[in-house]
Amino acid sequence: DTGVSQDPRHKITKRGQNVTFRCDPISEHNRLYWYRQTLGQGPEFLTYFQNEAQLEKSRLLSDRFSAERPKGSFSTLEIQRTEQGDSAMYLCASSLGGFNEKLFFGSGTQLSVL
Amino acid sequence: GDSVTQMEGPVTLSEEAFLTINCTYTATGYPSLFWYVQYPGEGLQLLLKATKADDKGSNKGFEATYRKETTSFHLEKGSVQVSDSAVYFCALSDLQGGSEKLVFGKGTKLTVNP
Repeated sequence: DTGVSQDPRHKITKRGQNVTFRCDPISEHNRLYWYRQTLGQGPEFLTYFQNEAQLEKSRLLSDRFSAERPKGSFSTLEIQRTEQGDSAMYLCASSLGGFNEKLFFGSGTQLSVL
Repeated sequence: GDSVTQMEGPVTLSEEAFLTINCTYTATGYPSLFWYVQYPGEGLQLLLKATKADDKGSNKGFEATYRKETTSFHLEKGSVQVSDSAVYFCALSDLQGGSEKLVFGKGTKLTVNP
């Protein structure tokens, strides 16, 4: 069990640029979640996958955001035309099974949009 | 919609003091309740959970009881240690609310001094 890993740890970009984050879940976990956390707030749900299927998306996930999990293993989260309001910590989590199962979180990717 | 309210932090205690972090919730159905903890420099990790009314979750000396009548899930520990210094998040999942996502509170930062 190597844990959930996220890459990069930090990303600084200019407004209007596109960015992509990667998440590698724990290998046998079929569920993968993306959350966003801003300073002083708890994590906010963005989306989740069961295997390669994206089952739920938050209203927070605007058209500029897209997430994929093409082979049911790693996932990517892309933000197009970044805005300053996108600055946040993006967290990935995985779990084995469904509702109520323990989530294992990565350390996150800190995005700063200048 | 579903929501979680935690007591405002930060909380500063001396070693061996008693800890209470208050958490109340609003939910459509009968949610499961969780406490997650984030130690400095690490990802969030599950501390304890309770899935139905009157259940008590416990781990590492921490306890929380699911109180449906007061819609609360307060975290307690009888004697804190310096190593308990972290940010604590109360969260719920409410399948009857139409989603499998976790809804988090804002977090409470705990500092324990020797």
